Parts: sequence; structure tokens; C-alpha cells
Amino acid sequence: AQTVTQSQPEMSVQEAETVTLSCTYDTSESDYYLFWYKQPPSRQMILVIRQEAYKQQNATENRFSVNFQKAAKSFSLKISDSQLGDAAMYFCAPSGGLNDMRFGAGTRLTVKP
Amino acid sequence: GAVVSQHPSWVICKSGTSVKIECRSLDFQATTMFWYRQFPKQSLMLMATSNEGSKATYEQGVEKDKFLINHASLTLSTLTVTSAHPEDSSFYICSARVTAEQYFGPGTRLTVT
Repeated sequence: AQTVTQSQPEMSVQEAETVTLSCTYDTSESDYYLFWYKQPPSRQMILVIRQEAYKQQNATENRFSVNFQKAAKSFSLKISDSQLGDAAMYFCAPSGGLNDMRFGAGTRLTVKP
Repeated sequence: GAVVSQHPSWVICKSGTSVKIECRSLDFQATTMFWYRQFPKQSLMLMATSNEGSKATYEQGVEKDKFLINHASLTLSTLTVTSAHPEDSSFYICSARVTAEQYFGPGTRLTVT
């Protein structure tokens, strides 16, 4: 079973600044992946970044990076040089092996010009 | 690559009628597809997992006789909402899994009057 906690319902960042979205999870799987998805107003789910739990190195994808603390079961997302197009709902999700993907409550990110 | 389509994108039906939503993986084969429901300003809630050629696995609290899922081929899964009621009005999203990642359809907005 997997549970996900996103403790920040809303976050705001100034354009070009950096923001960090938090996520903690619990899973009974020994081998799993972690994902951050973005859902803009169109409601299309877009993969932002993924992390394999067996890898110690934090994943990075352009302006997006994660801080993965396996022992603490923490998986935060850092967005650098925030852009107006980054405004969206962000969902964290662990996924173990062939199991389904369950999402946290989400964080609504607002980017101020 | 890895495109998932849904049809229709929105549908309005009368209470008591049934409506079918199609989910297709356009450029890949998916042995497993998932159906989610999303109410306004909420997260995605997993309804069921469907594997090609076998019966779907429903989440606790989801009525399998009301939400009929068929996964007849590796590229098509359908969700039929039977005897729809206004409380079934929601945004329905499907996804298809390839290895560890899930790719999401654009969603279907269902309104039951």
C-alpha cells in the first residue's frame, strides 16, 4: 500500500525565483519509482520528473530537480528560474514495480510576474 | 511517442442513461490501463486497474456494476458508466502504463443532468 502527503495546498513564487514543493510518502515496496506530475488548467497530466528509488543521485530535468531522501521517505521538487508556464497543480506519486500510481492531494503553484 | 487519447472529451447525458468512454494508446501497446476520477479542485482518485484480457480490479468503494471496464485489446480500454446519476458527474482520466511510467489521456468531462 502507498500513501502520499503533500502538505502545501498552495504555493506562490515570483517569476525567475526558486520554489520547492514537498512530498512525503510511505510504501511497502522495496523497489519503486517516484514521480512528479504537473496538471495545468487544461487538466492534461504532464510528467515533470521521475526518480528510481534505488538510485542515490537526485534526478534533474532542466530547471526541475528533486531532493530524494529515501530513509525519510521524502521527495521534494525544486523548480528553478520559475516561469509563468510553471503555474499548475503539482502531484507527487510513488509507484512500486508493476503497481498502480496513487497521487497526493496536490499543490497549486502560482507564479507571479 | 506514448500518446493516450480519450473519447469523448466531454459528454452530457440524462440521469438513468449509460455512457461509454474510450481510452486508446495510439503508438504503443499497454498491458495495463488505469481509470481515475477527479472532482473539482481535488486530486486524482484511482477507480480501477484493467489488464488486457482479464477482469478489472476495482478500488474499495467503487461499484464494479456501475463502472464497467473492458480492456479488450492492448490499445483500448473502455469505461461505461451505467445508470448515471448527477453525482457521477466528474472528470474521468485514463492512463496506460509502459514499464514504470504511466501516460495519461486528456480526460473526459461527464455531466449528468
